[in-house]
Amino acid sequence: DTAVSQTPKYLVTQMGNDKSIKCEQNLGHDTMYWYKQDSKKFLKIMFSYNNKELIINETVPNRFSPKSPDKAHLNLHINSLELGDSAVYFCASSARDRDHGYTFGSGTRLTVV
Amino acid sequence: KQEVTQIPAALSVPEGENLVLNCSFTDSAIYNLQWFRQDPGKGLTSLLLIQSSQREQTSGRLNASLDKSSGRSTLYIAASQPGDSATYLCAVPNTNAGKSTFGDGTTLTVKP
Repeated sequence: DTAVSQTPKYLVTQMGNDKSIKCEQNLGHDTMYWYKQDSKKFLKIMFSYNNKELIINETVPNRFSPKSPDKAHLNLHINSLELGDSAVYFCASSARDRDHGYTFGSGTRLTVV
Repeated sequence: KQEVTQIPAALSVPEGENLVLNCSFTDSAIYNLQWFRQDPGKGLTSLLLIQSSQREQTSGRLNASLDKSSGRSTLYIAASQPGDSATYLCAVPNTNAGKSTFGDGTTLTVKP
C-alpha cells in the first residue's frame, strides 16, 4: 500500500525518558513534515524536511530533534520527555510542487506520565 | 503570517440535510487549499484539494469551492449521513515555505 506510516501508534512513557517516533513514506514525495496535535485538537507544524534538509523549524524545544536519513524517512527523537509533550504527533509528506497536497500518517499518540 | 479560521466550530444536523462548512484565510497568496476529515482518534484523510487556479472541486457528495480574492473556501456536503460525523479541517500551504496552516476544524455530528 502506498502510504505514510508511523510507528509506534501508541507510546506511553515516564517523564525524563528519551523516545523516538519513526515515519516512512513510499509515495516518492521529497518533503516530509512533523505536526503536533494537542488536546484541543489544534494542528501545528513542528518541522519540515525537503530532500533530507531541514527547511522549517518552528518554535519547538531543542529536546525535539528530527532526523532524515533519506527522503523517504523522517524520524522524531524527543529527549527528557515532559508531561506537556503528551499529544498526537502526525507525520506527513508532499511532493515538491505540492500540487497533490499532503498525505498524513495515522498519528502517534504519546502519553507522558 | 497566514491565519486560517473555520466557522462554525461545531455543527449538529439531522440526517439528510445539506450543509456548508466555512474556511477563511488572511493571506490570499495561497498555493492551494486542502480539506481533510479526521475521525476521533484517527489520522487525517484528504477529501479534496483545490489548486489556486481552480474555483471548485467535487467528489461524490462533497463540493469544495475557493474564492481567493475574498479569502474563503466552503465545503458543501449534500444529503448528510451519520457516517459523515467527524472533524473537518482545511489547510492552506504557504507559498514561500514548506508548511501548511490548519484551521481549528469544524466538528460535525449528523443525527440519524
